Amino acid sequence: KNEVEQSPQNLTAQEGEFITINCSYSVGISALHWLQQHPGGGIVSLFMLSSGKKKHGRLIATINIQEKHSSLHITASHPRDSAVYICAVSYRDDKIIFGKGTRLHILP
Amino acid sequence: EAGVVQSPRYKIIEKKQPVAFWCNPISGHNTLYWYRQNLGQGPELLIRYENEEAVDDSQLPKDRFSAERLKGVDSTLKIQPAELGDSAVYLCASSIDRNYGYTFGSGTRLTVV
Repeated sequence: KNEVEQSPQNLTAQEGEFITINCSYSVGISALHWLQQHPGGGIVSLFMLSSGKKKHGRLIATINIQEKHSSLHITASHPRDSAVYICAVSYRDDKIIFGKGTRLHILP
Repeated sequence: EAGVVQSPRYKIIEKKQPVAFWCNPISGHNTLYWYRQNLGQGPELLIRYENEEAVDDSQLPKDRFSAERLKGVDSTLKIQPAELGDSAVYLCASSIDRNYGYTFGSGTRLTVV
């Protein structure tokens, strides 16, 4: 069983919709990461969180340490947001576990 | 500042042939990771270096995979001989410290035919 579970696996939405992607993990972590992967494979780091909430443009990431849960929100979604969003957790020994990703498709 | 640079970007080889991937991490990043990502899956760690020392290679299939980071900077990952199941994206990432996150390269997409 993967230590990091993401939902949904696939998400299709209309342009302008508010998007939420969820991530749950099973044990205590050092930090949680949200990554974006476009077709072709390159990965871009969006956020690194250890508590609370971070915002960058239309992207918002939150984490609840007690519930071992994080969410990535996209406001006013746009077709260029279409990508795979990956949640990853890192531990004090530098081990990193990745979720399987959420494939997001925003329709114009 | 240049990001993590990987080459080649794409590689197609016949099974049983050797293949090598190269990664140049961000200057000053002592920690370097090689990941393999199969279609529809998250990346899985193959090996982690701290400077030139491989500190975690427990997931590296050592019968056919090898890696080196001789001067603690650039790294190469080699597969010899390649098998059909090795088709995947091979990602390199580096970090200066776990508190500052990780930077990924664009990956090398390997297709073994």
